[in-house]
Amino acid sequence: DTEVTQTPKHLVMGMTNKKSLKCEQHMGHRAMYWYKQKAKKPPELMFVYSYEKLSINESVPSRFSPECPNSSLLNLHLHALQPEDSALYLCASSQSENYGYTFGSGTRLTVV
Amino acid sequence: DQQVKQNSPSLSVQEGRISILNCDYTNSMFDYFLWYKKYPAEGPTFLISISSIKDKNEDGRFTVFLNKSAKHLSLHIVPSQPGDSAVYFCAASARGEYGNKLVFGAGTILRVKS
Repeated sequence: DTEVTQTPKHLVMGMTNKKSLKCEQHMGHRAMYWYKQKAKKPPELMFVYSYEKLSINESVPSRFSPECPNSSLLNLHLHALQPEDSALYLCASSQSENYGYTFGSGTRLTVV
Repeated sequence: DQQVKQNSPSLSVQEGRISILNCDYTNSMFDYFLWYKKYPAEGPTFLISISSIKDKNEDGRFTVFLNKSAKHLSLHIVPSQPGDSAVYFCAASARGEYGNKLVFGAGTILRVKS
């Protein structure tokens, strides 16, 4: 298995909703990432997990809460989002000492 | 402050000709450079990379050149094919205390005309 699987592919949520994005990989990668990409912009790093521990948080608002339950799974919990949070959320993974990032197809999030 | 810059928002090339995509960076701590290709509604796909100890890396139709003194890299695609039409992101990485961190450029839209 050489893929990063993200679910759901599309999500529409209200500003008072609580939802979660899921990411899964079975390549044995020990680093996992959340990126946010707005239209016509490059992906921007949000969080890095290394060996299931949060190692980088790029000053992301607390309405985004990451979780790494085990080495294969990465979640992003969403609560009280704003319409400007609408974007493509990308998950990626890599070997801890390897730069071969593999990206998932992303979750297209719309906040209404 | 943009540490990785792709100054050409778009590039149009005839099928069979060479496509050259350019990227500049400012952070001298970057030690690894990557090119990703992205189709609409998909995640970025890794294309080719180069370490800072090299000045050229080739993989089939794709070649990446690195000029460290100029802090410049380029991706050459020869020959270009219509299926190469996509957004190309340059990315740079530095090993930090807390792990690897990729910084992306703004992307260049490549259109290959048949």
